[in-house]
Amino acid sequence: NAGVTQTPKFQVLKTGQSMTLQCAQDMNHNSMYWYRQDPGMGLRLIYYSASEGTTDKGEVPNGYNVSRLNKREFSLRLESAAPSQTSVYFCASTPRTGDIQYFGAGTRLSVL
Amino acid sequence: QKEVEQDPGPLSVPEGAIVSLNCTYSNSAFQYFMWYRQYSRKGPELLMYTYSSGNKEDGRFTAQVDKSSKYISLFIRDSQPSDSATYLCAMDEGNTPLVFGKGTRLSVIA
Repeated sequence: NAGVTQTPKFQVLKTGQSMTLQCAQDMNHNSMYWYRQDPGMGLRLIYYSASEGTTDKGEVPNGYNVSRLNKREFSLRLESAAPSQTSVYFCASTPRTGDIQYFGAGTRLSVL
Repeated sequence: QKEVEQDPGPLSVPEGAIVSLNCTYSNSAFQYFMWYRQYSRKGPELLMYTYSSGNKEDGRFTAQVDKSSKYISLFIRDSQPSDSATYLCAMDEGNTPLVFGKGTRLSVIA
């Protein structure tokens, strides 16, 4: 039972490079989320998708874009990475917005 | 003022101690209250879930909600080294994304 799968697990980028973080869930959940977690800052919501075909900004959306590719997949793109985007990124899914969230294992991103 | 306040710790206790972790909140519309546990270099996982005032017990863990005081607690009895983790409270109104506390880092020393 895979749950929420994130790829890659680790990534190092140079300033200005772009990349896409992938997330897929196999629980038939409607809602999906992207968070970043930094020391002392807790989990901060970047974007979320309440259902297939919709996306909404969270607390810290600047510098990111998202795509809800289908019900299973929700990707996060950094168009021009900055050192301030060095963080651990978590994807989560829920049956519906506000329900219990199930998290992936995270992607550790360093931007040099 | 943040919607959810949680003491970040770190909190260090000896094995066997009773641990009390707390969060306060300001939004009276919050209906659902959760505690997540996050081990180092892992994603958060749900530990306890409740939607009413009062206590909910699950083994060594008890979640307590006091809506009148806007205060929730997680108690861990007979704490074990395997309980060493970061504990995050979370809450929501029912149709909006969860609001998380910043987490409390707990170390249980053998």
